[in-house]
Amino acid sequence: GQNIDQPTEMTATEGAIVQINCTYQTSGFNGLFWYQQHAGEAPTFLSYNVLDGLEEKGRFSSFLSRSKGYSYLLLKELQMKDSASYLCAVAPNDYKLSFGAGTTVTVRA
Amino acid sequence: EAQVTQNPRYLITVTGKKLTVTCSQNMNHEYMSWYRQDPGLGLRQIYYSMNVEVTDKGDVPEGYKVSRKEKRNFPLILESPSPNQTSLYFCASSLSEGLLNTEAFFGQGTRLTVV
Repeated sequence: GQNIDQPTEMTATEGAIVQINCTYQTSGFNGLFWYQQHAGEAPTFLSYNVLDGLEEKGRFSSFLSRSKGYSYLLLKELQMKDSASYLCAVAPNDYKLSFGAGTTVTVRA
Repeated sequence: EAQVTQNPRYLITVTGKKLTVTCSQNMNHEYMSWYRQDPGLGLRQIYYSMNVEVTDKGDVPEGYKVSRKEKRNFPLILESPSPNQTSLYFCASSLSEGLLNTEAFFGQGTRLTVV
């Protein structure tokens, strides 16, 4: 099976930076995704990494190290609307997608 | 508007009564997939389809069936629902046949309760 680990909860202050770590052990690797899910809503795509390094997209950045089986999602200049669950997902092949349990981020004023 | 539509949004049913959750996308996407989401377990893939008439099992296929007769529709069938299938279900679609570098678009979810 696939094993994807991420912290259950994180709390941060508005305007701060939060880093959500994700470690994985999977049967193969065809890319790592990050999704955002607000309470009661559908997940929405944030980022995709398949090569090592940092991908930056506005206030959000995602990093991947394939040799370490490790990724992180960096959220900068936190806003109240960033309070949500952040889901790390790995594609062990072209067609399957395995998700971690998600990290609930709470942003406080 | 580009979207993935699931119906119904909420359903309470009894054990053993066959049900179908419909999923339709209007983006001409090749790939579609079903997930269930349970507290502490995250999203788990039930079935996926790479294209019309091509489906395969995900990580938790037991108790479910799917079909892909047309590109836009991918219904999830529970032939004999049981209480352990009480969950939040999401349908998703992606543009290309595989997942490589393609984002998935999710439907709004179906909250199913089996009593």
